Amino acid sequence: AQSVTQPDIHITVSEGASLELRCNYSYGATPYLFWYVQSPGQGLQLLLKYFSGDTLVQGIKGFEAEFKRSQSSFNLRKPSVHWSDAAEYFCAVGGRNSGNTPLVFGKGTRLSVIA
Amino acid sequence: GAVVSQHPSWVICKSGTSVKIECRSLDFQATTMFWYRQFPKQSLMLMATSNEGSKATYEQGVEKDKFLINHASLTLSTLTVTSAHPEDSSFYICSARRPAGGPNEQFFGPGTRLTVL
Repeated sequence: AQSVTQPDIHITVSEGASLELRCNYSYGATPYLFWYVQSPGQGLQLLLKYFSGDTLVQGIKGFEAEFKRSQSSFNLRKPSVHWSDAAEYFCAVGGRNSGNTPLVFGKGTRLSVIA
Repeated sequence: GAVVSQHPSWVICKSGTSVKIECRSLDFQATTMFWYRQFPKQSLMLMATSNEGSKATYEQGVEKDKFLINHASLTLSTLTVTSAHPEDSSFYICSARRPAGGPNEQFFGPGTRLTVL
């Protein structure tokens, strides 16, 4: 069965510091991988996605993520965090088939940014 | 492209009433739509998978008679919370998937905040 683990429930970083949010997945084959961000009371915004090709994926707002098959990981990174990055971040995995399989989400990591 | 809308964005209702939430794919046809529920500070919980022209598939523990889902067209799915109670208060999010053949990617609506008094 598919599953996504985000080990860190809450992370606090200083503004300007670098950020890495961890995501590990369990899937029988090469999955599609996604990172979403959610601000309080808002819907999900897609930050980036990995389907195939280059394992380092660039997204919006200066975020990037690297797919590491050997580690079953898809960690999200940003070199310099801004106060507006404070939000909830969700990693998700999807199957490559064309059926009705929904995305499976991790439990999320809440990011706080301090001055 | 690939925009999904939800209406209403928020709703407050009295206990015992029914509430309908619409999910629309604005610029593509969605053969499959998904409905999620999200409690405060928690992740998204899949409620059901909705396929155009057929009955929805509900996840274990989700009451079919409580949460009625209708996917009558390729661009519209509705979720009706029947006889709503305060414990149904939550954030409901839909997503839509492009027709088969493309990557398994879902596009999410902005969510609907339901408060039952």
